[in-house]
Amino acid sequence: KAGVTQTPRYLIKTRGQQVTLSCSPISGHRSVSWYQQTPGQGLQFLFEYFSETQRNKGNFPGRFSGRQFSNSRSEMNVSTLELGDSALYLCASSQIDRSVNGYTFGSGTRLTVV
Amino acid sequence: TQLLEQSPQFLSIQEGENLTVYCNSSSVFSSLQWYRQEPGEGPVLLVTVVTGGEVKKLKRLTFQFGDARKDSSLHITAAQPGDTGLYLCAGEDNGGSQGNLIFGKGTKLSVKP
Repeated sequence: KAGVTQTPRYLIKTRGQQVTLSCSPISGHRSVSWYQQTPGQGLQFLFEYFSETQRNKGNFPGRFSGRQFSNSRSEMNVSTLELGDSALYLCASSQIDRSVNGYTFGSGTRLTVV
Repeated sequence: TQLLEQSPQFLSIQEGENLTVYCNSSSVFSSLQWYRQEPGEGPVLLVTVVTGGEVKKLKRLTFQFGDARKDSSLHITAAQPGDTGLYLCAGEDNGGSQGNLIFGKGTKLSVKP
């Protein structure tokens, strides 16, 4: 059974640019959540998509956006990049009852903004 | 706002030693999960504890959920270098991001041979 696939693994971007990250969930998982991980703040929830609809959103500015396609693949976009956006971006797929079954995470995309 | 506080933040021990990692909150959680994350990878689910007072064992790892469901602990017996990693606890957010998991900041464990 294939795991969660995130692409690309590494990215270097310049301040002011925009970036798109991709996530393919486990087959059959309809929920995709995105987290930002930094050494200082740990894992912070960005947003969740379920059946192509954003179901929840964390406390991040509007520069962070996402979408989900009919095959459950998801993308997140960050516009007007800032140095502080440098982080590991993790995608996690889950079934409905994640409070018991948990998330399956991808290996992440390491974004460096210079 | 629900918060999960983990302690210690860093732990460096020798192979064969025992250790305990704590995850505390002032909020009640219906369940708590423990993940381990290795460098360059995403977190991997180790266990979910659901019932207050529950104890679960996974080889040399013992997980306990507090009676009041506000805290949890992870005890590792005879630690090995392969146990090295970031240990994260997580619980369901019953606030603004209903249904999603909130994470503690983690305990970074280093086991030296």
